[in-house]
Amino acid sequence: DIQMTQSPSSLSASVGDRVTITCRASQGISNNLAWFQQKPGKPPKSLMYGVSNLQSGVPSKFSGGGSGTDFTLTISSLQPEDFATYYCQQYKTYPLTFGGGTKVETK
Amino acid sequence: EVQLVESGGDLVQPGGSLRLSCAASGFTFSDHCMDWVRQAPGKGLEWVGRSRNKADRYTTEYAASVKGRFSISRDESKNSVYLQMNSLRSEDAAVYYCVRVARITHHSDCWGQGTLVTVSS
Repeated sequence: DIQMTQSPSSLSASVGDRVTITCRASQGISNNLAWFQQKPGKPPKSLMYGVSNLQSGVPSKFSGGGSGTDFTLTISSLQPEDFATYYCQQYKTYPLTFGGGTKVETK
Repeated sequence: EVQLVESGGDLVQPGGSLRLSCAASGFTFSDHCMDWVRQAPGKGLEWVGRSRNKADRYTTEYAASVKGRFSISRDESKNSVYLQMNSLRSEDAAVYYCVRVARITHHSDCWGQGTLVTVSS
């Protein structure tokens, strides 16, 4: 199975901060990498796919990068609605696997 | 508008069975793979399994943790996908989400609200 490791597991940030979350795959996954945002009591929401493609309706303050095994999700200017937990997922190989999540909290 | 509505979550005893349903609307159901993903209380996301689309004859894939106990099926006439769960264990307790897979890019693009399964005696 491909292991997905996210870091950090949590971070504290302020409104307006630039935030970057890292996701590392245990083997190459090409560009088959997605990011999701989840708020308490809600289902996950698709943010990005194919490493750097924004899901329809997602604002451009979100951006994704990386290749091979190392990937990033960046929020350019954190807003109050962005405090949430973020998950990466590889969909190259079965079983599909998720990172452990990164909780973005207010400082 | 794409909608996925899960139902069937309940309290069940260890060793028991349960069938979850997901009613889909707003898109051509047979064109899309459909996944089940679960989330134990306070934990992260775990992929459970997939029903491929009609072109791939609705074949299925499963996570090792549920293989042989869970099965996924579809009813085209009802635009629904099901998760049959047998021999339930305490570690199967979770919110179960039905997820649509995008037709061309194969990423998970739309999630239902989830249904809660509790396994306890």
